[in-house]
Amino acid sequence: DAKTTQPPSMDCAEGRAANLPCNHSTISGNEYVYWYRQIHSQGPQYIIHGLKNNETNEMASLIITEDRKSSTLILPHATLRDTAVYYCIAASGTYKYIFGTGTRLKVLA
Amino acid sequence: EAQVTQNPRYLITVTGKKLTVTCSQNMNHEYMSWYRQDPGLGLRQIYYSMNVEVTDKGDVPEGYKVSRKEKRNFPLILESPSPNQTSLYFCASSPTDSSYNSPLHFGNGTRLTVT
Repeated sequence: DAKTTQPPSMDCAEGRAANLPCNHSTISGNEYVYWYRQIHSQGPQYIIHGLKNNETNEMASLIITEDRKSSTLILPHATLRDTAVYYCIAASGTYKYIFGTGTRLKVLA
Repeated sequence: EAQVTQNPRYLITVTGKKLTVTCSQNMNHEYMSWYRQDPGLGLRQIYYSMNVEVTDKGDVPEGYKVSRKEKRNFPLILESPSPNQTSLYFCASSPTDSSYNSPLHFGNGTRLTVT
């Protein structure tokens, strides 16, 4: 399964959009891109996933480049409660997930 | 409410004393999995199960056992815990559909300390 690369940390001002990048240059055709987040030491929470089209739900938007080698998770109006570690995963099934160390997003008041 | 329930939330034990961490889901999911999380290492998969009586090793299975006798339950067993198994443990589940794109649902974690 594809390895993903994320920046270790990012800051974002409250109310602004948070754009979290992920590189998955070795992704294969049947692998989805998933995003999860973990607040403190709680269980990771599913955010969104996609294969090749951009996706949007009530939590976030996922933009996948045309070549599928990278993606961006967008939190349109970040709040303090969005402070968390965000994980990007590229996998063809849940049993093949590889969690990296993610991006620690800090939303600043 | 759809959920994955782990018990206990916190556990302190001594080296060599057998313990079981329970995991139960009420969503009729076929797939269940155990992860451990250690500082700087992210989440690593211990064991997973694709369905009843079907289990397989993940990336760090040494020192752990699992069983899947019923669809809803997937206990994690440490026959002889050691201090290097001190960690935060998560159970997760998902349906297994033909497209394999269903997300994982996680429990709230079990913090285990082995002294």
